[in-house]
Amino acid sequence: AQKITQTQPGMFVQEKEAVTLDCTYDTSDPSYGLFWYKQPSSGEMIFLIYQGSYDQQNATEGRYSLNFQKARKSANLVISASQLGDSAMYFCAIISGGYNKLIFGAGTRLAVHP
Amino acid sequence: NAGVTQTPKFRVLKTGQSMTLLCAQDMNHEYMYWYRQDPGMGLRLIHYSVGEGTTAKGEVPDGYNVSRLKKQNFLLGLESAAPSQTSVYFCASSQLLVQHRVGETQYFGPGTRLLVL
Repeated sequence: AQKITQTQPGMFVQEKEAVTLDCTYDTSDPSYGLFWYKQPSSGEMIFLIYQGSYDQQNATEGRYSLNFQKARKSANLVISASQLGDSAMYFCAIISGGYNKLIFGAGTRLAVHP
Repeated sequence: NAGVTQTPKFRVLKTGQSMTLLCAQDMNHEYMYWYRQDPGMGLRLIHYSVGEGTTAKGEVPDGYNVSRLKKQNFLLGLESAAPSQTSVYFCASSQLLVQHRVGETQYFGPGTRLLVL
């Protein structure tokens, strides 16, 4: 069965600095997809970035990039030039068992300080 | 284009009462999902649907039923609410997987906060 582990319950970063949020996964499927979502205090789930297991390059979306290390089974999210609006919960998730079902990690709460 | 909408936004139930949560999407997505979010546990899949008239169990289906009579709507029912069902419920939808991708983005509704006393 697939599993996602996010070992950092909370992180803080100074505004304009970069921060890395850790995510490790466990799966026996040869092909899989990894997602990161942001949940601000308002509660909605916002899609940030996706990485497929066969993608040759690490995914990037604006200030977000995914540091994908397949051999180590890690898919860390890097946020560059942090902004106050980046303060939120961040969830890593993996595709599980077909039909695009997601398994989520417990999340990391990021606080950006001015 | 409203995306994914959920009603109601907030509800208080007494133990044993029943209710239905409604999810609607206007993106013509085939797949729809219901998740619950509890503190410190991330989101867990309750039930999902891969098309109109189909439903299937997820990770935590007990105590819930679902129906998808129309492609755009996915209903989640609680027949006899229990305090353990106090949670935030999210609906999501996604398109069919395309050939060159392993996963498609799920788009989430704003959530329904349910309190069972």
